[in-house]
Amino acid sequence: SYVLTQPPSVSVAPGQTASISCGGNDIGSKRVHWYQQRPGQAPALVVYDDDDRPSGIPERFSGSHSGNTATLTISRVEAGDEADYYCQVWDSSSEYVFGTGTKVTVL
Amino acid sequence: QVQLVESGGGVVQPGRSLRLSCAASGFTFSSFAMHWVRQAPGKGLEWVSLIAYDGVNKFYGDSVKGRFTISRDNSKSTLFLQLDSLRVEDTAVYYCARDGVRYFDLWGQGTPVTVSS
Repeated sequence: SYVLTQPPSVSVAPGQTASISCGGNDIGSKRVHWYQQRPGQAPALVVYDDDDRPSGIPERFSGSHSGNTATLTISRVEAGDEADYYCQVWDSSSEYVFGTGTKVTVL
Repeated sequence: QVQLVESGGGVVQPGRSLRLSCAASGFTFSSFAMHWVRQAPGKGLEWVSLIAYDGVNKFYGDSVKGRFTISRDNSKSTLFLQLDSLRVEDTAVYYCARDGVRYFDLWGQGTPVTVSS
């Protein structure tokens, strides 16, 4: 089955930049999507199709793709960005696959 | 407003059944494929099932295939998940989610299912 690997945790000071990686075999050939899950809440889409943002998501959230890694970047981090973040792809053999999740802590 | 509201979760013994519902509002439900996604306590997200906009095609994750059944009633803008032969490892919060072309663009608040003797 297809596996997406994320770092378990990322810590960042307010106003700085957080980068969350998502690695998977041949991920460069797939469209990557990202979700934010604040404590006690449902997930919410923050980036889709590698680098597009749904309406209402701040420009501070951006996605990129390079080689075997996709990255979610959060610029000018705020306290409200503290959450778990999951990447997700569609794979022809495993269908809908989520990453292992990254907990972002704002110091 | 655009929203999904799940219901039907609860505590059930292993081997028993449960039926979850997801009421959609604020958008044309019959135009969208719909999913169920679950999250075990303290764990990550796991895709469970997908149903096409017209209810014809249905897909399931390996861990629930043969035990769970997805369905929908477009006249009532409602999605369902029938959970049969429940196992302890099915304990999770179950979310319904709208399909945005191989991603999930709208989520409900979730309904908890606990399987325990």
